[in-house]
Amino acid sequence: QKEVEQNSGPLSVPEGAIASLNCTYSDRVSQSFFWYRQYSGKSPELIMSIYSNGDKEDGRFTAQLNKASQYVSLLIRDSQPSDSATYLCAVTVLFLSGGGADGLTFGKGTHLIIQP
Amino acid sequence: DAMVIQNPRYQVTQFGKPVTLSCSQTLNHNVMYWYQQKSSQAPKLLFHYYDKDFNNEADTPDNFQSRRPNTSFCFLDIRSPGLGDAAMYLCATSRDRLSKDHEQYFGPGTRLTVT
Repeated sequence: QKEVEQNSGPLSVPEGAIASLNCTYSDRVSQSFFWYRQYSGKSPELIMSIYSNGDKEDGRFTAQLNKASQYVSLLIRDSQPSDSATYLCAVTVLFLSGGGADGLTFGKGTHLIIQP
Repeated sequence: DAMVIQNPRYQVTQFGKPVTLSCSQTLNHNVMYWYQQKSSQAPKLLFHYYDKDFNNEADTPDNFQSRRPNTSFCFLDIRSPGLGDAAMYLCATSRDRLSKDHEQYFGPGTRLTVT
């Protein structure tokens, strides 16, 4: 059974600072990792995906993956009040045959608050 | 714009009264998913269709059924809603099975209230 763990927060960060969101997962076979942002009452919105160890940058967002430690993180630079939301970490497993996976396993999310 | 559409956005039903939620997509994606998200909880996968191939999660209650009459549409039927079924129901799609080449995108969701 795959499990994804996140600190529920709230995580409070001053505007303009770096927000660091963390996620651990239990299934060593997990291969694909995703970060979604979810505003209250809205559906999740894909921010970033990462598949290889190391860092992946997209604008103000950087995803970091360490498969040996079963750890994935999301950094948000120059945090803005509009970044205040719940951030969901999700993982999936690739079939051994090389095909893709069916569905995502989500963490409960970290509630991020950017203080003006 | 290509997108995932869910109707209705808000649905109120009575305890035990069947209800159907609708999802449509203009992305021509092969895979469609239904997730249930209760308040302050993680989205939980109920089932998905890979083209016409239906895949049910092992712990999805029998009370939940799904239909996919064509590529564009997928329906979630709740045969006898209970109070515990009140949640946001999220439809999602991906072009193919999830991988580094194929990601999953959500519709706006349907908020279901059971009275």
